[in-house]
Amino acid sequence: GENVEQHPSTLSVQEGDSAVIKCTYSDSASNYFPWYKQELGKGPQLIIDIRSNVGEKKDQRIAVTLNKTAKHFSLHITETQPEDSAVYFCAASMGNQGGKLIFGQGTELSVKP
Amino acid sequence: DAGVIQSPRHEVTEMGQEVTLRCKPISGHDYLFWYRQTMMRGLELLIYFNNNVPIDDSGMPEDRFSAKMPNASFSTLKIQPSEPRDSAVYFCASSGTSADNEQFFGPGTRLTVL
Repeated sequence: GENVEQHPSTLSVQEGDSAVIKCTYSDSASNYFPWYKQELGKGPQLIIDIRSNVGEKKDQRIAVTLNKTAKHFSLHITETQPEDSAVYFCAASMGNQGGKLIFGQGTELSVKP
Repeated sequence: DAGVIQSPRHEVTEMGQEVTLRCKPISGHDYLFWYRQTMMRGLELLIYFNNNVPIDDSGMPEDRFSAKMPNASFSTLKIQPSEPRDSAVYFCASSGTSADNEQFFGPGTRLTVL
């Protein structure tokens, strides 16, 4: 089955700096790659996603890149702000699995003012 | 819409007791997912339903766990008997009418089994 590895497990940056979180997946049939943000005491919330027919997607300060050949994808947050502090999860799924997501282990991002 | 609703938000019980967690998905969503989150194992999918029918329960840890979805607006996850290692945060999520849609998570139920 699918396996998703996520690095780093913790990341500390200064406000205004960029943050990058990387994930690799094992199953080449995976074609959907969402990123979720989880704030303390809350459920995860989708922040951006990418499908396998696209190499890059951007939404304001957040961007995701996908390298299908290498089977890895990354989350880029620019101009980080204290409110970006949270745990971020990558995930992968195959379209024929009915939306079944396999999550990475999570990255705890801390943005210091 | 109120989003995905879960109850209770916190549950403390003793080993051996039955625990029932409840979820109300977003109206109109066809998919419902149950996840468990722990520090050791991260976020794990336990089971998911499509149009009230269980599709994949391969993540259910053992026979002590069972889930039902009697109608489109209600699902339960039951643990009987509960054990200390079941202590975790349990999330319910729902998504729309096709695969690979955004999953909307509820606030979770924090379960502590003493």
